Amino acid sequence: EAGVAQSPRYKIIEKRQSVAFWCNPISGHATLYWYQQILGQGPKLLIQFQNNGVVDDSQLPKDRFSAERLKGVDSTLKIQPAKLEDSAVYLCASSLSLGWGVYEQYFGPGTRLTVT
Amino acid sequence: ELKVEQNPLFLSMQEGKNYTIYCNYSTTSDRLYWYRQDPGKSLESLFVLLSNGAVKQEGRLMASLDTKARLSTLHITAAVHDLSATYFCAVESLYNNNDMRFGAGTRLTVKP
Repeated sequence: EAGVAQSPRYKIIEKRQSVAFWCNPISGHATLYWYQQILGQGPKLLIQFQNNGVVDDSQLPKDRFSAERLKGVDSTLKIQPAKLEDSAVYLCASSLSLGWGVYEQYFGPGTRLTVT
Repeated sequence: ELKVEQNPLFLSMQEGKNYTIYCNYSTTSDRLYWYRQDPGKSLESLFVLLSNGAVKQEGRLMASLDTKARLSTLHITAAVHDLSATYFCAVESLYNNNDMRFGAGTRLTVKP
């Protein structure tokens, strides 16, 4: 079974530039998550999709971050314009229900963003 | 707001020794997850704990959940070098869109 795919793996941009990340979840996984992991910290949930609908985006800085999952499969996360503090690894995860509303998440390899 | 605290944040131990990592959280939940992350790699799911008193074991790792104390533990038995990694607990809030919050992680180094 193929895992969660992400691209690019690494990206270096200057502040105020724009950047986009792509994620393809495991086939059949209806739920997709984007996390931001700053060096030395745990992942922070940015947005959660159920199919193509947003379940939770309470921690997404909406003035600069946006995400979409138009066809309920792959997803893109965009930052426009980037700030220095956006330097982090952006992780995509997808999940399948284990029953009783419980979801085990499978993580992609991440995209390491450096903003200079 | 759901808060998740892990301790210790850094742990250096000798091979063959035992130790426990603690994960405390601030709100009602009966869903707790443990993940492992190797340097430069993504997160790998270790355990899913779904009820009070749940205990799961895999090799030298054993995880437990006490929902009344809002505490989970990850116990390491007879550590080996291959267990060196960062371990995260994550708690799913039952009352906020199943919001998932991660602890800061415990960086474990096992020395020969």
